[in-house]
Amino acid sequence: ILNVEQSPQSLHVQEGDSTNFTCSFPSSNFYALHWYRWETAKSPEALFVMTLNGDEKKKGRISATLNTKEGYSYLYIKGSQPEDSATYLCAFKDSNSGYALNFGKGTSLLVTP
Amino acid sequence: DSGVTQTPKHLITATGQRVTLRCSPRSGDLSVYWYQQSLDQGLQFLIQYYNGEERAKGNILERFSAQQFPDLHSELNLSSLELGDSALYFCASSGTGSGYTFGSGTRLTVV
Repeated sequence: ILNVEQSPQSLHVQEGDSTNFTCSFPSSNFYALHWYRWETAKSPEALFVMTLNGDEKKKGRISATLNTKEGYSYLYIKGSQPEDSATYLCAFKDSNSGYALNFGKGTSLLVTP
Repeated sequence: DSGVTQTPKHLITATGQRVTLRCSPRSGDLSVYWYQQSLDQGLQFLIQYYNGEERAKGNILERFSAQQFPDLHSELNLSSLELGDSALYFCASSGTGSGYTFGSGTRLTVV
């Protein structure tokens, strides 16, 4: 089992604040890093798939960076809105253990007006 | 609707029983993955199928088995159920190089 760590475990911010989360993963045999957004009572939805060291992805106010050499990825949310409240999951895939994603436990974000 | 269909949505059964969870992947996706989410746990990978063949195995118990059929739908069979098997079971599918598309999950309660 590959260890994927996410921090913080939970976060409570005010509307308009910018925030970021960290995902740490094994730096050897890297294949891909995914970010998902999981709203309560729904299914996880893919945000980003990142495969190259130095990758930066952006979707609206959400962006992510990737450092495969040191084994971390950051997810940033600029100007948080209440609708951003969700659990953000990162998942790691390596080249040795098949093609399945290993998920972290997530960062739970609450944005209050 | 994500395109991945899971049935049933809820299942309540007694210890010792056997159940089958069903998943139809998004059209065109050949890979199907099964995950378990128990209380206070993250998504735990169980098993992956690709175009009918087992591709990768995670922490799947021997009491659990799965298969993927020629029409690409998949079934997860859970037998000799225990209270600890109560969890949310997700199926996901993917194409080459894309993120996973998750179904809405099956909530299994073992009483």
